[in-house]
Amino acid sequence: GAGVSQSPRYKVAKRGQDVALRCDPISGHVSLFWYQQALGQGPEFLTYFQNEAQLDKSGLPSDRFFAERPEGSVSTLKIQRTQQEDSAVYLCASSLALFPEQYFGPGTRLTVT
Amino acid sequence: AQTVTQSQPEMSVQEAETVTLSCTYDTSESDYYLFWYKQPPSRQMILVIRQEAYKQQNATENRFSVNFQKAAKSFSLKISDSQLGDAAMYFCAYRSGQGDSGPYKYIFGTGTRLKVLA
Repeated sequence: GAGVSQSPRYKVAKRGQDVALRCDPISGHVSLFWYQQALGQGPEFLTYFQNEAQLDKSGLPSDRFFAERPEGSVSTLKIQRTQQEDSAVYLCASSLALFPEQYFGPGTRLTVT
Repeated sequence: AQTVTQSQPEMSVQEAETVTLSCTYDTSESDYYLFWYKQPPSRQMILVIRQEAYKQQNATENRFSVNFQKAAKSFSLKISDSQLGDAAMYFCAYRSGQGDSGPYKYIFGTGTRLKVLA
């Protein structure tokens, strides 16, 4: 694909529901990042993969957040038992190995009601 | 820990004029990268310009240029000949350059909303 894609673009969940957000990185990009962007704020790091290995998950806010990238391409961010404070835009980015530029997807706006 | 500060929540500029967005950062590292990203209402973050800390020369991309002051830990973005399409949120970001071991995550500032007046 031409760029990073994310689906769905919008997700509304009732409090307590589980959600799964998908990221398709640029073909050939081994590094994949997830960020959370609250309204009016800059993105904050959640987790990082190099191929299928999750090398850094220090930004995940709680054990309700889980990310995977089983085959080293598509990644899924799962949030269990969603809470209102989880409402945010979730951005995915990918990059070539060791290259500093990250290319971002359009994000998924999650609203928890 | 590294921090990035953007002290201007909002800026306005007349079309065709020049505007400068400010960014300061704090780090104890000597090797790192700095970026400016643009985020229009569509939410897609678009890379505007990048600067390697080891380079003394300021980066330039067409109408966009930076003033990188390493000792002062300052990294401002200058937009010349502003266009209506430049209206967006602009984020300054820091990435460690510590070789193969990372970390590779970006640390972002809180952003500056740029309005371009016709």
